[in-house]
Amino acid sequence: DIQMTQSPSSLSASVGDSVTITCRASQSISTYLHWYQQKPGKAPKLLIYGASSLQSGVPSRFSGSGSGTDFTLTITSLQPEDFATYYCQQSFNTLLLTFGGGTKVEIK
Amino acid sequence: QVQLQESGPGLVKPSQTLSLTCTVSGGSISSGAEYWSWIRQLPGKGLEWIGFIYRSGSPYYNPSLGSRLFISIDTSKNQLSLRLSSVTAADTAVYYCARVKRGGGNYYFDYWGQGTLVTVSS
Repeated sequence: DIQMTQSPSSLSASVGDSVTITCRASQSISTYLHWYQQKPGKAPKLLIYGASSLQSGVPSRFSGSGSGTDFTLTITSLQPEDFATYYCQQSFNTLLLTFGGGTKVEIK
Repeated sequence: QVQLQESGPGLVKPSQTLSLTCTVSGGSISSGAEYWSWIRQLPGKGLEWIGFIYRSGSPYYNPSLGSRLFISIDTSKNQLSLRLSSVTAADTAVYYCARVKRGGGNYYFDYWGQGTLVTVSS
């Protein structure tokens, strides 16, 4: 199995801040890495696919980067609606898709 | 706009079989290159991929669940189904169906159902 480790597990930030979430794979996954946002009681929402491609309709303050084993999701100018939990997911091993443990972004 | 809606019992007894259906609207489950998937989220925990299926192909299962799992697709009803046998309390979770968008080695979930909570309890 490819293990996906996110850090931090939670963070506190203020509206207008820039935040960066890290996702590390247990082996190289090229750029087969995707990011989701989940709000309480809701289904996850796709933000970024292929490590850096912005899903249609997602604000440009979200960006992704990385390749190999280390990836980041950056949110610039955090907005009130961005407080949520974020997950990464790998698809290098298409027979066992795995998610990171999540990063909760809370209001400071 | 593709929409997915899960349905099924919210309560299942231990050792019985959990059965869920996902109805797809706004698009045909039998066209395109997408796969169709089930994902679950244990209470207060992260996400676990259960398996996926292509419109006319064999399903692929998470090995940790494989022997208890059956995923099927009914193109005439535009529905995806999940059966998980011999359930225990550890299978209590919110179950989501989702569309899998594929491109090269990118397999990602671009449309999700709202999720349905299934509790395993006697």
